[in-house]
Amino acid sequence: GQQVMQIPQYQHVQEGEDFTTYCNSSTTLSNIQWYKQRPGGHPVFLIQLVKSGEVKKQKRLTFQFGEAKKNSSLHITATQTTDVGTYFCAVDSNYQLIWGAGTKLIIKP
Amino acid sequence: DAGVIQSPRHEVTEMGQEVTLRCKPISGHNSLFWYRQTMMRGLELLIYFNNNVPIDDSGMPEDRFSAKMPNASFSTLKIQPSEPRDSAVYFCASSYRREITNEQFFGPGTRLTVL
Repeated sequence: GQQVMQIPQYQHVQEGEDFTTYCNSSTTLSNIQWYKQRPGGHPVFLIQLVKSGEVKKQKRLTFQFGEAKKNSSLHITATQTTDVGTYFCAVDSNYQLIWGAGTKLIIKP
Repeated sequence: DAGVIQSPRHEVTEMGQEVTLRCKPISGHNSLFWYRQTMMRGLELLIYFNNNVPIDDSGMPEDRFSAKMPNASFSTLKIQPSEPRDSAVYFCASSYRREITNEQFFGPGTRLTVL
C-alpha cells in the first residue's frame, strides 16, 4: 500500500530559529495535506497542496509540493512558542488519508 | 458549527470491561474515521465509513473492537473486553468527500485508560 515517509522525527530549535519537516513518497501523489497537533490536542488541518511545484504561505509557514509530486515540505521561519507541536503530512488514498509519522517541534528552553 | 463531538473525554476502566466511545460528526459530512493514537504507534486509522457504510476496517486490531454508524449523525466504537494495551487516545474525524478537497476535522478525542 501507499506509504509516506516523514523526517525528522523530532527537531529541537531555539526560539527564533527556523524549522523544516519533509515528506517523501515513492509514488506520485494526487495531493498532500498538512496538519498540526498541539500537545494534548487533536490534529488540525493547515493546508492542502495539489499542483506540481506549488508553494503556499501562511504567515511564517511555507508549504511546498515537489515538481514530481513525490515530496513536500513545511518550513517555519523564526519559530515561536506557539509553533510547538507535531506536524503531520497526509496523502489521499482510496477515500482515506495515509499519514506520515509526524515531526515534533520542540523549543529549547 | 460545534465541530466533531466525542464522548466521554476521559474514560478509566478495568481490564475486561466493555468500553463504548461515541462520536457525532459535523452535520453534512459524509465520511467518518476512527483513529487511535499512542506514543509507540503514532496515529493509526482503525475504520472509516462513507455514507454510514463501513468501507475499510482493516485497521481494527482485533475482534474485540467493533464500530457502528447507525445514522449520519452518530457513530460508536466499542471494545469488549478491554485490555491494558488498549489504553490510548481515540479520535473521531469527519470530512465531506469532494473531488479535490477532503480535509478531515477531528474531535477532541477520548483518552482511554484500561487498568
